[in-house]
Amino acid sequence: QKEVEQDPGPLSVPEGAIVSLNCTYSNSAFQYFMWYRQYSRKGPELLMYTYSSGNKEDGRFTAQVDKSSKYISLFIRDSQPSDSATYLCAMSVDDYKLSFGAGTTVTVRA
Amino acid sequence: DAGVTQSPTHLIKTRGQQVTLRCSPKSGHDTVSWYQQALGQGPQFIFQYYEEEERQRGNFPDRFSGHQFPNYSSELNVNALLLGDSALYLCASSFNLHEQYFGPGTRLTVT
Repeated sequence: QKEVEQDPGPLSVPEGAIVSLNCTYSNSAFQYFMWYRQYSRKGPELLMYTYSSGNKEDGRFTAQVDKSSKYISLFIRDSQPSDSATYLCAMSVDDYKLSFGAGTTVTVRA
Repeated sequence: DAGVTQSPTHLIKTRGQQVTLRCSPKSGHDTVSWYQQALGQGPQFIFQYYEEEERQRGNFPDRFSGHQFPNYSSELNVNALLLGDSALYLCASSFNLHEQYFGPGTRLTVT
């Protein structure tokens, strides 16, 4: 079993829809949780960074962490074609090593 | 403010050769981490450097080594290249153990 599991997708949604992305994990010691966006053949771009459980909102993006269920989510509201990318969840015990999911590829259709 | 930069962008090597990849961290950052990303996979942690010392290492063989310089820039060296070493190599920098910001990566092809 992988330490971090992420829905592989691909996910295709119409412009303006809500995109919902999820990851589950097995290591209960994880306490830092991140979402990255990666465009084709580019480096990952940090979208959201959260510590412990709870919700965090930044513009059209909302990150949720449920440590009791070992489950994290990212929601993208009013999705745009420019949101088409691969989304990676990442988590860490101590902010040293990041453990990543395999990524979910999202396409937003105009 | 320049972000994380990496060089070269792309290189092709032959099995058995050695390669050196370079990374300059974001201004104000003192910690550099290296990751390997195979096609269709998430990045895998190789190691992290802080104060010119390797602070933590992932599950990679000793063929992978690194260095951090006094100006916080870093190098990743891979010896005795294997076909399986073909991947995107990513450098990430951070300050005081917070958010890690990634560079554009170096795409290594081993033939």
